[in-house]
Amino acid sequence: NAGVTQTPKFRILKIGQSMTLQCTQDMNHNYMYWYRQDPGMGLKLIYYSVGAGITDKGEVPNGYNVSRSTTEDFPLRLELAAPSQTSVYFCASRRQGAGDTEAFFGQGTRLTVV
Amino acid sequence: KQEVTQIPAALSVPEGENLVLNCSFTDSAIYNLQWFRQDPGKGLTSLLLIQSSQREQTSGRLNASLDKSSGRSTLYIAASQPGDSATYLCASSNYGGSQGNLIFGKGTKLSVKP
Repeated sequence: NAGVTQTPKFRILKIGQSMTLQCTQDMNHNYMYWYRQDPGMGLKLIYYSVGAGITDKGEVPNGYNVSRSTTEDFPLRLELAAPSQTSVYFCASRRQGAGDTEAFFGQGTRLTVV
Repeated sequence: KQEVTQIPAALSVPEGENLVLNCSFTDSAIYNLQWFRQDPGKGLTSLLLIQSSQREQTSGRLNASLDKSSGRSTLYIAASQPGDSATYLCASSNYGGSQGNLIFGKGTKLSVKP
């Protein structure tokens, strides 16, 4: 029962470096989401996908990119890391009929940009 | 735009006490409302999902209610235990917007003292 798996769990980046946060789910969910969580704030949506090949921006997409080549995987790409991207990143998924189904979250990736 | 508020931000109670966590939302056109638990440094664990047509859901010592007309949901925890100490988040899924995106409150940090 893997659910939603995120890697890595922790990462320190230098300003200007790039990296990809990995997310995979084994529940055959077609809806997937990336959120960031900053201290004292609620989770904010970065990008989402309603199925393979379809992605769209959320509330805070600047500085990020995503792709969805398979149902299972939804990687998040940071091209030029900035200190403002220091945060905890969560991936989530839910099955079709997105509005009325339970969302499942990964364990998060804690990213520090220095 | 949906706004979700959780009050209080922090709560400390003695073990064994029954308690209520509050969640309010501004837009009643919701698909559902979901309650999560988050332990320090961990991901989000889904506790209860209440559909818009439902009034309440129960799981063990947890009971969540939903009143769309007043824009409120409550999470009732019976006979609290130290293991219940965590941050509790509520989130709504609304019609329109980003395909079932969850709008989160900032959470209530619960501490149950032995």
